[in-house]
Amino acid sequence: AQSVTQLDSHVSVSEGTPVLLRCNYSSSYSPSLFWYVQHPNKGLQLLLKYTSAATLVKGINGFEAEFKKSETSFHLTKPSAHMSDAAEYFCVHKAAGNKLTFGGGTRVLVKP
Amino acid sequence: SAVISQKPSRDICQRGTSLTIQCQVDSQVTMMFWYRQQPGQSLTLIATANQGSEATYESGFVIDKFPISRPNLTFSTLTVSNMSPEDSSIYLCSVATGEVGQPQHFGDGTRLSIL
Repeated sequence: AQSVTQLDSHVSVSEGTPVLLRCNYSSSYSPSLFWYVQHPNKGLQLLLKYTSAATLVKGINGFEAEFKKSETSFHLTKPSAHMSDAAEYFCVHKAAGNKLTFGGGTRVLVKP
Repeated sequence: SAVISQKPSRDICQRGTSLTIQCQVDSQVTMMFWYRQQPGQSLTLIATANQGSEATYESGFVIDKFPISRPNLTFSTLTVSNMSPEDSSIYLCSVATGEVGQPQHFGDGTRLSIL
């Protein structure tokens, strides 16, 4: 069975500094991977997706993620955090049949 | 991407009652799903809502507790029956085209508290 592990449950950064959210997955075949963000009292918004094209994926709001098959990782980064980036982030694996496996989530706090 | 509307956005209910949550999509979609997000937790799939047939439930979820309807390709409902405080969660619907590699898109969720 697929699994997704987000290595940090909480990340705290200062505004203007880089953000790194770590995600590892297990899959026996080429995965479809996604990052979603959930702001307070909101649903999940898609940040970016990896579907076996380029290994460096650019998303919305300045986020990007790099797929590394050798490390089974799909870490999310942003060069400069903004106060509006404070939210919960989910790394998600999609299997055949559209079944999603969610990581446990990483809550990002941005300090002024 | 599809615009997904969920109603109600939040509710406070008495234990033992039932609540029906609606999910409306602005375009026809192949697949619709219902998730539960317990406080401070990640999302768990409740069931896949199948148009014109019974929903497909995940392990730990049963039709008597979470009956689902999907009368057409743009609408689905989830009922949370005989509620207890343990049912206090966010309930989200999502939609997908079914195409390989394409993401699911989520509604804003229904925040449910049971007293």
